[in-house]
Parts: sequence; structure tokens; C-alpha cells
Amino acid sequence: DTAVSQTPKYLVTQMGNDKSIKCEQNLGHDTMYWYKQDSKKFLKIMFSYNNKELIINETVPNRFSPKSPDKAHLNLHINSLELGDSAVYFCASREDRGLYNSPLHFGNGTRLTVT
Amino acid sequence: GDSVTQMEGPVTLSEEAFLTINCTYTATGYPSLFWYVQYPGEGLQLLLKATKADDKGSNKGFEATYRKETTSFHLEKGSVQVSDSAVYFCALSSGSARQLTFGSGTQLTVLP
Repeated sequence: DTAVSQTPKYLVTQMGNDKSIKCEQNLGHDTMYWYKQDSKKFLKIMFSYNNKELIINETVPNRFSPKSPDKAHLNLHINSLELGDSAVYFCASREDRGLYNSPLHFGNGTRLTVT
Repeated sequence: GDSVTQMEGPVTLSEEAFLTINCTYTATGYPSLFWYVQYPGEGLQLLLKATKADDKGSNKGFEATYRKETTSFHLEKGSVQVSDSAVYFCALSSGSARQLTFGSGTQLTVLP
């Protein structure tokens, strides 16, 4: 009964390709996020959506485009993949009520390897 | 802006040793504070949290106390196990922010 699920778990692709990562949460949360974790485990926020509306858009190349068809889903599409995009990408969700007391709930990550 | 500073790892301990992972923060107002744990190949899981000064969060034998005077939220465990080997992240959320700010993570390895 997974709360935040991402697919695929592993993604190996060549430079220049376009790929998507999907995320779904069944917690009824209004806010969802994408984080990037580098090889040193450093976590960087990329995007956040609240009820399908983009609310956080950090300095990320415009090759990365999030899409939220409904509040339970937040997908990440990446165009023209580069070697530096290799990382683990985490989706997360958060309850909106009492927002700043609420923890994030993370998916298990998608390990992207660009060759 | 908000920031979190964690002690650098890696940290290697023997089983049953005492653990402390230091965490200090800078934030406007009165943030909520969190510790997350990431086991190999998995996502981050909430370990414990504290939402106001002097609160103590605890879970699975881990504890951390929200110290406003020292702006700290150090993680402690009295007797670590091999199964505690993981990366530990300190994080904060302040009133106006719609995201969590994470520290850089501390890798813990516990040897039998």
C-alpha cells in the first residue's frame, strides 16, 4: 500500500534522449515536489506543485518540465538528457494543512544514468 | 535565508556505541525541525520531528531536542545497531516556506 510511488526505479539512457519519470501519491496531499540527489547525497529541490499549480520553480534547466495532471500526480519530463543529469530523483508529497509542521513523504527514488 | 548545517561524515561506530550527529540551523521565526533517515536504495523516511522550542522528538531509540538558544537539533541514540547504518538528514521548515531545507546528510556506518 505504497504512499508515494515513482516509476521507473532505474532509468538508463543515452545523451540526447528524452525521458519521463512518473509519480503518484495516495495520501490525499495537496502539495508535491521533485528533488534531485547527487552522488554526495546532497538534496536539491527542483519543483513544487500545489493543487496542480506550480509554486516552486528553482534554478533548473528548462529541459526539465514538470506536469501535474491532477493533485495526486506529478510527472517530470527531461529533454535532451546530459551526462550531468545522472542522479537520483525523488518525488515527495506533503499535507497542506499546518503546512510548515507537516513532514514530507518521499517515494523510493528513480536512479537516472545517462551514458 | 534558511539553512541547516550538519556534522560532516562519514561516521563509523561499533555496535552499542553512543551516537551524536550535530545539527544547527539558521531560520527566520520559529521553524519546525525534522530528522530523516535514508537506508541504502530507499527514499527518505521521517525519523522524528519537533515543532517548538524545548520539544523532544523521539522514535526507534533516537532522540533530538529543539534548542532555540543554541539553534540546534542534535540527533542522539544511546546504543546503535548495525541496522542503523544509513544516511541521516536534518531539515527545517519555516512559516513562510513551502519547502523543507535539508542539511547535507551524514553517513553512519555501524560495525558489528
